[in-house]
Amino acid sequence: AQTVTQSQPEMSVQEAETVTLSCTYDTSENNYYLFWYKQPPSRQMILVIRQEAYKQQNATENRFSVNFQKAAKSFSLKISDSQLGDTAMYFCAFMKSFGNNDMRFGAGTRLTVKP
Amino acid sequence: DTEVTQTPKHLVMGMTNKKSLKCEQHMGHRAMYWYKQKAKKPPELMFVYSYEKLSINESVPSRFSPECPNSSLLNLHLHALQPEDSALYLCASSPGWQEGYGYTFGSGTRLTVV
Repeated sequence: AQTVTQSQPEMSVQEAETVTLSCTYDTSENNYYLFWYKQPPSRQMILVIRQEAYKQQNATENRFSVNFQKAAKSFSLKISDSQLGDTAMYFCAFMKSFGNNDMRFGAGTRLTVKP
Repeated sequence: DTEVTQTPKHLVMGMTNKKSLKCEQHMGHRAMYWYKQKAKKPPELMFVYSYEKLSINESVPSRFSPECPNSSLLNLHLHALQPEDSALYLCASSPGWQEGYGYTFGSGTRLTVV
């Protein structure tokens, strides 16, 4: 079974600063996908960024980037130039290849961006 | 249309009631999912439908009954629920044929069992 661990229940950052959210996972699979989802108070889960395990290059999406360390089973999210709208719950998620497309989530990190 | 629409947004039901949650998408996705999310917790997978067939049931109690009438629609029928079943119920979809694409989520139904 795969487990996803987010060790930071809460974090805060000043507007325009950079923050990094941590995620580690445990799996015996070699091929899989990793995701970061954002859930603002409006409740809808929004995909922030995804990473394919077979790709060494770290994924980036505008102000969001990941540091994917496959050997260490680490998948951290860096948010640059933080904005008030980034305030949300952030979930790290794992999906194995050749499975049933079922996605497993970590416990989440509540991020607050302060003005 | 790039949305997953869930109705109703809020539902209050008694323990003897029967109700249904509805989820709809028109993105041509062939995989659909039900998740349960308690307050300040991550979503927990309940059911996975792939090409209208149930592929995963995470040992969910039979008082929750999923149904996938067609590729665009997913229902969750509720009967004889308990107060601990109160939660946010999220529906999601994904292409089904493209692996690792990630899900598109709906805004959820906030269910309160009284």
